[in-house]
Amino acid sequence: ETGVTQTPRHLVMGMTNKKSLKCEQHLGHNAMYWYKQSAKKPLELMFVYSLEERVENNSVPSRFSPECPNSSHLFLHLHTLQPEDSALYLCASSLGPPGQANEKLFFGSGTQLSVL
Amino acid sequence: GNSVTQMEGPVTLSEEAFLTINCTYTATGYPSLFWYVQYPGEGLQLLLKATKADDKGSNKGFEATYRKETTSFHLEKGSVQVSDSAVYFCALNNARGGADGLTFGKGTHLIIQP
Repeated sequence: ETGVTQTPRHLVMGMTNKKSLKCEQHLGHNAMYWYKQSAKKPLELMFVYSLEERVENNSVPSRFSPECPNSSHLFLHLHTLQPEDSALYLCASSLGPPGQANEKLFFGSGTQLSVL
Repeated sequence: GNSVTQMEGPVTLSEEAFLTINCTYTATGYPSLFWYVQYPGEGLQLLLKATKADDKGSNKGFEATYRKETTSFHLEKGSVQVSDSAVYFCALNNARGGADGLTFGKGTHLIIQP
């Protein structure tokens, strides 16, 4: 148990659906991240929040919309996704701000998303 | 830009065999280097790290030495167990104070057979 909880664990959605992924951490961390994990590709950093402010958006399509209402919760809102968006979406948190030399990330178990 | 290259998997070994998973990197400045492990059905967990040249990170019998001259951070273990079966990710953080987060490799799937 890493202290980072993601729900749901699995999600199947059609291309016209709207759904949200949820991430929660009770570690007292100040930064939260969304990563996309696809088979045979490096983990892709999607969004970074530090103290509830978005500090990074790595050219992610607008059909992915993050929300960080407080330092413990992070959402990823999904709408009109494409089949190539099927992947494991991982949430992570860190105590300090992003970019620190000793930055250690704590990951959730991920949401396995399938887009039909 | 930053990048991490790992050996392709899956890597299949017998129990008690010696393990090496190669990792090389490209980065500006002096990055910190990490190995993360992902067990089946779980998220990634930090396995070990090294923050400067010639540092050796170690944990659970695994070791990796930061080699600046060869830009490498190979993961080794002297005697693997079935429970070591997982996906291993090499990663770097160039610590420029930006919001880049970690740069990961593609991961190496390790399978240990009894």
